Amino acid sequence: EVQLVESGGGLVQPGRSLRLSCTASGFTFGDYAMSWFRQAPGKGLEWVGFIRSKAYGGTTEYAASVKGRFTISRDDSKSIAYLQMNSLKTEDTAVYYCTREKTYRAFDIWGQGTMVTVSS
Amino acid sequence: DIQMTQSPSSLSASVGDRVTITCRASQSISSYLNWYQQKPGKAPKLLIYAASSLQSGVPSRFSGSGSGTDFTLTISSLQPEDFATYYCQQSYSTRLTFGQGTRLEIK
Repeated sequence: EVQLVESGGGLVQPGRSLRLSCTASGFTFGDYAMSWFRQAPGKGLEWVGFIRSKAYGGTTEYAASVKGRFTISRDDSKSIAYLQMNSLKTEDTAVYYCTREKTYRAFDIWGQGTMVTVSS
Repeated sequence: DIQMTQSPSSLSASVGDRVTITCRASQSISSYLNWYQQKPGKAPKLLIYAASSLQSGVPSRFSGSGSGTDFTLTISSLQPEDFATYYCQQSYSTRLTFGQGTRLEIK
């Protein structure tokens, strides 16, 4: 079964760091770009950033709201994508989803999401 | 960033109705437009990609059309499981953006 499972969410104080993991199974992880999205409580979807596959350089792009604070990386040997979140703000509170990217930059596989709450 | 505007923001309809949701981009995005369905407490589900291509496993009552700046998602005959929130997403720009969502409710 093709699956993504996020982990690492929780309650964190403003200014602190948190790392989310996204473990993939059922497909050749290294062949795909992986993206992270988030959804604040009661709000819509927001793209956070993505990492290209190694075939396309493994480079990253980020939303303006997180650039310089968040870093996406990948370990293809373990089929895991990471979202390192530093200098967290209360407005980063959201459910975070990792996704697999298919053609036309559509996202066909989503994890179940992990909640990140930034509060003192 | 490219702004995506959906209309209506909410919609009440009955089982069996034909429903259309519109998405407008602030600039031309060719056919780089995808549609998702999200139910409460669940991850979004891809319905349509490249404006009009049906994702594998999605019922044929869902269809998409449009190009440039104006797009539509149509559900030909609403089923009980279709009551959810729908989002459009542009993938023309590296910085992806979504519409604000359309909440489809039972009348």
